[in-house]
Amino acid sequence: ETGVTQTPRHLVMGMTNKKSLKCEQHLGHNAMYWYKQSAKKPLELMFVYNFKEQTENNSVPSRFSPECPNSSHLFLHLHTLQPEDSALYLCASSQVGNEQFFGPGTRLTVL
Amino acid sequence: QKEVEQNSGPLSVPEGAIASLNCTYSDRVSQSFFWYRQYSGKSPELIMSIYSNGDKEDGRFTAQLNKASQYVSLLIRDSQPSDSATYLCAVNGDSGGYQKVTFGTGTKLQVIP
Repeated sequence: ETGVTQTPRHLVMGMTNKKSLKCEQHLGHNAMYWYKQSAKKPLELMFVYNFKEQTENNSVPSRFSPECPNSSHLFLHLHTLQPEDSALYLCASSQVGNEQFFGPGTRLTVL
Repeated sequence: QKEVEQNSGPLSVPEGAIASLNCTYSDRVSQSFFWYRQYSGKSPELIMSIYSNGDKEDGRFTAQLNKASQYVSLLIRDSQPSDSATYLCAVNGDSGGYQKVTFGTGTKLQVIP
């Protein structure tokens, strides 16, 4: 297993469902990130964890809940999402302040 | 003022030409600068890092940094249709005591065969 992995790669969920996105990094990094990228829009930083501590929450709605149990794993828990939350969700990791390496992303569709 | 600014494009160049992508940043104390390539529907891929003034070359790619002008650029020589993608500039900086990397909105490059 190399780099940054994300599961699932595709997810379709209803507005009342609860689901979780998982990210795992095998690079020995100490920072992990969640980004949202809607169609034809730039990257939007959602959450940052440095040394397992959340250091940034960019005004993300509470229906998105991150969890970082250790420096290698990052989760994004989803509940009561809206159709406008449909997007590509990207996880990345880095040594703090250095270049970030991205996972392949989870393509989320909310019906 | 945006922290990292890029022209959204699209920038169209003929195959074989040099593509020049530009990025300006606002944080004067930034020390690390990165270029990513993102194909449509895919995740960003790191292609270059540059830390000191001047040029850094890697194959057909050259990153140029001018800290005094707060400007970083990416040149792609002998552009190929496969280079058609969105190129993201990223800059590190301090955010409340933590180092943070900020991305620009990206420049879309189209290489015309």
